[in-house]
Amino acid sequence: AQSVAQPEDQVNVAEGNPLTVKCTYSVSGNPYLFWYVQYPNRGLQFLLKYITGDNLVKGSYGFEAEFNKSQTSFHLKKPSALVSDSALYFCAVRNWRSFQKLVFGTGTRLLVSP
Amino acid sequence: NAGVTQTPKFRVLKTGQSMTLLCAQDMNHEYMYWYRQDPGMGLRLIHYSVGEGTTAKGEVPDGYNVSRLKKQNFLLGLESAAPSQTSVYFCASSYSGDWEITDTGELFFGEGSRLTVL
Repeated sequence: AQSVAQPEDQVNVAEGNPLTVKCTYSVSGNPYLFWYVQYPNRGLQFLLKYITGDNLVKGSYGFEAEFNKSQTSFHLKKPSALVSDSALYFCAVRNWRSFQKLVFGTGTRLLVSP
Repeated sequence: NAGVTQTPKFRVLKTGQSMTLLCAQDMNHEYMYWYRQDPGMGLRLIHYSVGEGTTAKGEVPDGYNVSRLKKQNFLLGLESAAPSQTSVYFCASSYSGDWEITDTGELFFGEGSRLTVL
């Protein structure tokens, strides 16, 4: 069965500093990995995905994520954080075959201070 | 372009009452999903549909029913609400389950429906 772990409930970072939001996963076969962001009182919005190819994936709003197969990780990164990046971030995984079994992590709240 | 629209946005029920949440999408997506979001548990799939007239159970289907009579609509019903069903419910849609074909393979989410069962 697929599973996702987001070990940090909250990440605090100062504006302008780099940020990392951690995600590790477990899945049989090749993973399809996703990051979504949720702003207050809104639905989730897609940020980026890894299906195959380069381990460094670039997405919306300057975010990127690095796929590491040996460490089964897919950490979300941004070189310079903005206050407007403050939100709830979800990592999700499925295997290549089961589209309906997209498993979400519990979410990490990112707080960027001015 | 409205995307995915959920109604109602808020609802308070008493235990045992019934209600229906409506999800409508205008993107001509084949696949639609209902999730619930609870603190510390992320999102969990309740039911999903791969096309008009089809439905299937997800991870936590007990206590819920769904219908997809029209391609653009996906209804989630609670026949006899329980306090354990207090949650935020999200509808989502996607073009296809075969994400190798679509451009991004992303799910498009509605803004959520907050349900409280007393």
